[in-house]
Amino acid sequence: DAKTTQPNSMESNEEEPVHLPCNHSTISGTDYIHWYRQLPSQGPEYVIHGLTSNVNNRMASLAIAEDRKSSTLILHRATLRDAAVYYCILRGSNAGGTSYGKLTFGQGTILTVHP
Amino acid sequence: GAGVSQSPSNKVTEKGKDVELRCDPISGHTALYWYRQSLGQGLEFLIYFQGNSAPDKSGLPSDRFSAERTGGSVSTLTIQRTQQEDSAVYLCASSFVRLSYFEAFFGQGTRLTVV
Repeated sequence: DAKTTQPNSMESNEEEPVHLPCNHSTISGTDYIHWYRQLPSQGPEYVIHGLTSNVNNRMASLAIAEDRKSSTLILHRATLRDAAVYYCILRGSNAGGTSYGKLTFGQGTILTVHP
Repeated sequence: GAGVSQSPSNKVTEKGKDVELRCDPISGHTALYWYRQSLGQGLEFLIYFQGNSAPDKSGLPSDRFSAERTGGSVSTLTIQRTQQEDSAVYLCASSFVRLSYFEAFFGQGTRLTVV
């Protein structure tokens, strides 16, 4: 499985934007980039995903480098409820392959938001 | 409810006993995942089902662990002869798997304590 590399931790102040980086230099052409987050004492929840183009939804934005070897999750205005572990994951899309649909989590980035 | 349901929510068992953990996925979801998370650690992939078959069992830690899925729905994770190192939160997730749409929904987990 292609691997991702994220900083262990990041800090932000409330109401400020947060940029969470992820490196995935071995990404294949058919891998989707997914982000999940895990709030304390809860299961992970989906945040956003993309393939090549930048993506926006109500929770966040995903900026994908042109060579797709890195991406950045952007929280436009951090709130205290955004404090969580953020996971960047590559998901294979080669139907019939053993990795199709599989999600493999790394260690993630612990985001601390200060009031 | 319409979410992923796991039972029991908590399980305390004696070392050497067998345990069964149950996951009821969201209706219609073809993919089902099992993960475990030890205290303060990331998510460790265990097994992934597509329908009733498991294309990837690579994460099962030993032959004491097994899982099955019947009717493309409910899944059971069985741990035989439990050991103290099996203590963790066991998380189940389900999703559709389509080329461009993919969001995995997680249950709240089963906290297993082996004493």
